[in-house]
Amino acid sequence: DQQVKQNSPSLSVQEGRISILNCDYTNSMFDYFLWYKKYPAEGPTFLISISSIKDKNEDGRFTVFLNKSAKHLSLHIVPSQPGDSAVYFCAARELYNNDMRFGAGTRLTVKP
Amino acid sequence: EAQVTQNPRYLITVTGKKLTVTCSQNMNHEYMSWYRQDPGLGLRQIYYSMNVEVTDKGDVPEGYKVSRKEKRNFPLILESPSPNQTSLYFCASSSATGYSPLHFGNGTRLTVT
Repeated sequence: DQQVKQNSPSLSVQEGRISILNCDYTNSMFDYFLWYKKYPAEGPTFLISISSIKDKNEDGRFTVFLNKSAKHLSLHIVPSQPGDSAVYFCAARELYNNDMRFGAGTRLTVKP
Repeated sequence: EAQVTQNPRYLITVTGKKLTVTCSQNMNHEYMSWYRQDPGLGLRQIYYSMNVEVTDKGDVPEGYKVSRKEKRNFPLILESPSPNQTSLYFCASSSATGYSPLHFGNGTRLTVT
């Protein structure tokens, strides 16, 4: 069963605008959420994370929002740059369980 | 440089010919795991290891074996590969405690004909 879902396979935005990537989860025991970025021919690289005690975490142009009641998280990229074009994976796990669950990924294209 | 190293990057083989994909990390991580990535399915866990000599099945373990004899190495073994194991494979590692992200290798693209 897919406990982490990314319902949009792709997203296209204009350079300089905001990119919003969404992720839903079903397991209420998840308390650590992460976003990974993946370029072709490379492994996923860690981008940003948030624990369940927070509802927002920022790192430069990247902000992750967590809505526990809706079991939903999102990644905002502002402003978007062409170098942000990649596949983004949402992931989640329980704190005392290293078993990390991944969504299917969203391919972001940022057009110059 | 902290990294997870997988080899080979590309592998083409035939059905039934045993193969091993190696994985090594230099971060002294306790936790290591193997994932496969398939279109539309994201990353699915094959096997994981919490520490030396401790391994367990993930979501899709059929047709795979692993071993963890040393902390830094976690090889993936396909005893008798089949075409449905054609996929992109990633090894990953992390600290076993706290809020620790997984660090991934660059992947191994396996084709079984």
